[in-house]
Amino acid sequence: GAGVSQSPSNKVTEKGKDVELRCDPISGHTALYWYRQRLGQGLEFLIYFQGNSAPDKSGLPSDRFSAERTGGSVSTLTIQRTQQEDSAVYLCASSLSDSGANVLTFGAGSRLTVL
Amino acid sequence: GQSLEQPSEVTAVEGAIVQINCTYQTSGFYGLSWYQQHDGGAPTFLSYNGLDGLEETGRFSSFLSRSDSYGYLLLQELQMKDSASYFCAVRDLENYGQNFVFGPGTRLSVLP
Repeated sequence: GAGVSQSPSNKVTEKGKDVELRCDPISGHTALYWYRQRLGQGLEFLIYFQGNSAPDKSGLPSDRFSAERTGGSVSTLTIQRTQQEDSAVYLCASSLSDSGANVLTFGAGSRLTVL
Repeated sequence: GQSLEQPSEVTAVEGAIVQINCTYQTSGFYGLSWYQQHDGGAPTFLSYNGLDGLEETGRFSSFLSRSDSYGYLLLQELQMKDSASYFCAVRDLENYGQNFVFGPGTRLSVLP
C-alpha cells in the first residue's frame, strides 16, 4: 500500500482479555518494527522483523507479548491477559531493508485502552 | 546499554531559531536521525546524519559530531505548525544489527 496501515485505530478492552493489533507495511519494505508509546512519553522498542524472522525480541516487556509476521508482509502483535499498564499507542514502522535504509515510515498507531 | 538524552521542553516565538540537542551512548552507531510527531499523529522522518557535519533541508538543519556523541536539530523561521515533539534516534548495528533507539523527545512550543 501507499503507507503503513494499522488496525484497529482504537481498542478498548477489559483487563485480562487478549488483543491483536495488525500492521500492514509499505509494499516491498522488508524490515518491520513495533514500538510502544505511553502518553507523553518516547518510543519504546518492542520487536523488529527482517522478512518473517525476528532477530531482536529484546524489547518485548513480558511473555504476555508476542508478534509474528507472515509472507514478509503483515504483522500481528498479540497481548495476552492485558493489564492496565499495557494502555498505550502501539506504533508500527517499516523500512526498505536491514542494511542501507535509514528512514522509518510509521503508521498512525493503534491506541489501546485497558480498563 | 543504549541511551539518548534530549531536553524535555523548548519554547520559542514565531520567526525565531531553536536548537534541540541530543547526546547518545550506544554500543554501536550507524547514524543519527530526527523525527517530528504532532499530537495524536505518527512520527515522521525529518533528517539523517551518517557522517559528521551539517545537513540542511529547507528550514531544518541537523548536525552530528561522532567524536562527541552529539547532534542537534536546528529549526529556523519558526512557524506555529512546528509545535510538536521532536525525537532523535540512533541506529545501532551491533545489537542484532537493526535496532533504532529513540530518545525521550523534546516538546517544542511555538508562541505567536
